[in-house]
Amino acid sequence: SAVISQKPSRDICQRGTSLTIQCQVDSQVTMMFWYRQQPGQSLTLIATANQGSEATYESGFVIDKFPISRPNLTFSTLTVSNMSPEDSSIYLCSVAGGGSETYEQYFGPGTRLTVT
Amino acid sequence: EDQVTQSPEALRLQEGESSSLNCSYTVSGLRGLFWYRQDPGKGPEFLFTLYSAGEEKEKERLKATLTKKESFLHITAPKPEDSATYLCAVQGKTSYDKVIFGPGTSLSVIP
Repeated sequence: SAVISQKPSRDICQRGTSLTIQCQVDSQVTMMFWYRQQPGQSLTLIATANQGSEATYESGFVIDKFPISRPNLTFSTLTVSNMSPEDSSIYLCSVAGGGSETYEQYFGPGTRLTVT
Repeated sequence: EDQVTQSPEALRLQEGESSSLNCSYTVSGLRGLFWYRQDPGKGPEFLFTLYSAGEEKEKERLKATLTKKESFLHITAPKPEDSATYLCAVQGKTSYDKVIFGPGTSLSVIP
């Protein structure tokens, strides 16, 4: 399984600012995903990060608020823009691939974001 | 619309007391059903993939089973280190192949 790291592991930010979260994988992977997990809740998919093209966003998430980059097969970033306290959450990246049609995902450790 | 529910929401067991967690799903054609374990402050850890009704998979004290409407995660003689939140997720055979996660079951195993 892939080893995934995320930076930062946690941050406290002021409302109106932006934070960029990095996700690094130790091997090339086809699929990368970004999730949000609010306290006590399950995972909600934000978007699929596509290498070489624009990310595919889920309903309720837009590119202006959550711009995503995927410059290569081992790295992606998620930016949380113009933050409000409602954006306080854990943000997780995950990877899947190997040519399988089933997305067995391996997750990073998460970034805990608090917006004040 | 694809949907996943899990029960119970929380479960407390004495060490050695076996039990089962339930995952009920609605999906338009199942490509795979996944079980994950999540410890506090960490990302989910992949446990199993089940593909079709009747399939079973085992790992240490855990056994996952699948029917056409639900999956069970059986925990045999649990230990305190099995305490975690267990998440179920499904992937349907749509053109988009999105994975939907359930709300999870929080398991506490008391020594």
